[in-house]
Amino acid sequence: EAQVTQNPRYLITVTGKKLTVTCSQNMNHEYMSWYRQDPGLGLRQIYYSMNVEVTDKGDVPEGYKVSRKEKRNFPLILESPSPNQTSLYFCASSFAVNTDTQYFGPGTRLTVL
Amino acid sequence: GENVEQHPSTLSVQEGDSAVIKCTYSDSASNYFPWYKQELGKGPQLIIDIRSNVGEKKDQRIAVTLNKTAKHFSLHITETQPEDSAVYFCAASHPFGNEKLTFGTGTRLTIIP
Repeated sequence: EAQVTQNPRYLITVTGKKLTVTCSQNMNHEYMSWYRQDPGLGLRQIYYSMNVEVTDKGDVPEGYKVSRKEKRNFPLILESPSPNQTSLYFCASSFAVNTDTQYFGPGTRLTVL
Repeated sequence: GENVEQHPSTLSVQEGDSAVIKCTYSDSASNYFPWYKQELGKGPQLIIDIRSNVGEKKDQRIAVTLNKTAKHFSLHITETQPEDSAVYFCAASHPFGNEKLTFGTGTRLTIIP
């Protein structure tokens, strides 16, 4: 089954404790992206990757890191989480952005205390 | 950069009636306008999209219209059913640079039985 998986689905952590949210897709997509969803703000792009070893900042990259060592995986790293990073996070992938459907993962709800 | 505004933020309609959600965009270079549906606890899923060379597109009970001159596009759902209850997001992208999707802030649609 074609899908985007994220882990964990739920995470409660404390300020400053490094964490990684994994994202994997099995559709051989070049483009992968991370979004955060906050009430009243919609979906905002954090980072994106056009292909392996190619990553760039989206609209709200502060406090986040990503890596793309393999085509299928695109982990999101919070080196020192803060309460303002409490949010619902989505990973997405597609062959292209402007011409193709983006497939979203099920989401990771993160709470930083 | 692109800015997408979406209205209304919440919408309640009687089962069987029609629902309309409207979006405006700012970048005249944008040429791809998808609509995503997000059910409770899930990631957004594409339901319909339209490109700037088309004025209207229909898929069963769902239709999208695009007015390039006015820079707005709308989602129309006819004969609404309880399973249409969800959050709907519009988005826009253009074929340059990141090509990223810029999302609206979402509309929570509730179908009243």
